[in-house]
Amino acid sequence: DAGVIQSPRHEVTEMGQEVTLRCKPISGHNSLFWYRQTMMRGLELLIYFNNNVPIDDSGMPEDRFSAKMPNASFSTLKIQPSEPRDSAVYFCASSFGQASNEKLFFGSGTQLSVL
Amino acid sequence: KQEVTQIPAALSVPEGENLVLNCSFTDSAIYNLQWFRQDPGKGLTSLLLIQSSQREQTSGRLNASLDKSSGRSTLYIAASQPGDSATYLCAVPLGGGGNKLTFGTGTQLKVEL
Repeated sequence: DAGVIQSPRHEVTEMGQEVTLRCKPISGHNSLFWYRQTMMRGLELLIYFNNNVPIDDSGMPEDRFSAKMPNASFSTLKIQPSEPRDSAVYFCASSFGQASNEKLFFGSGTQLSVL
Repeated sequence: KQEVTQIPAALSVPEGENLVLNCSFTDSAIYNLQWFRQDPGKGLTSLLLIQSSQREQTSGRLNASLDKSSGRSTLYIAASQPGDSATYLCAVPLGGGGNKLTFGTGTQLKVEL
């Protein structure tokens, strides 16, 4: 398996623009997670899905952030409108079952810069 | 609220040295603990997953221990190599179980020739 695939690897955009990050989890994994990593706050869980259903989005910082998982092999994280403070590395991760029982597999991340 | 602390924040050792990385957590009611490795510009790679019923887990030169009662875990790396240079993070499930992991801030390790 190719692992968790994220695109794009880098995204540079201007404040106010819409940003869409994409993720393809490992085939057969039924849990998908979106994390954000910054120097100041470390790794933060934004939202996670189980069997394509959003379970907990309490980590989504604002209504500007939204995530979807239309099927088991694809998820998106959208920021609209983007702001400079959204600049961070965004990771997608997946696991077979709960993260508390199974290893978590991460993608390579999307480095987002909002100017 | 679960808080996870890793000390030291950074560590530099000569090649071949055995070393220990520390992870402390405040809520001992956890189901397991995972150790991850993160290379610069890359995602995290899960190294070891220790269930709460286990005391240790080993993979090659890596050995992780878990002491729930004291809220501590250690990652032991034997005969360190330059290729071990990376940031190592530990993570525990928030509230004991489930899907929400709380990550430590990591220990940045550099193994020098």
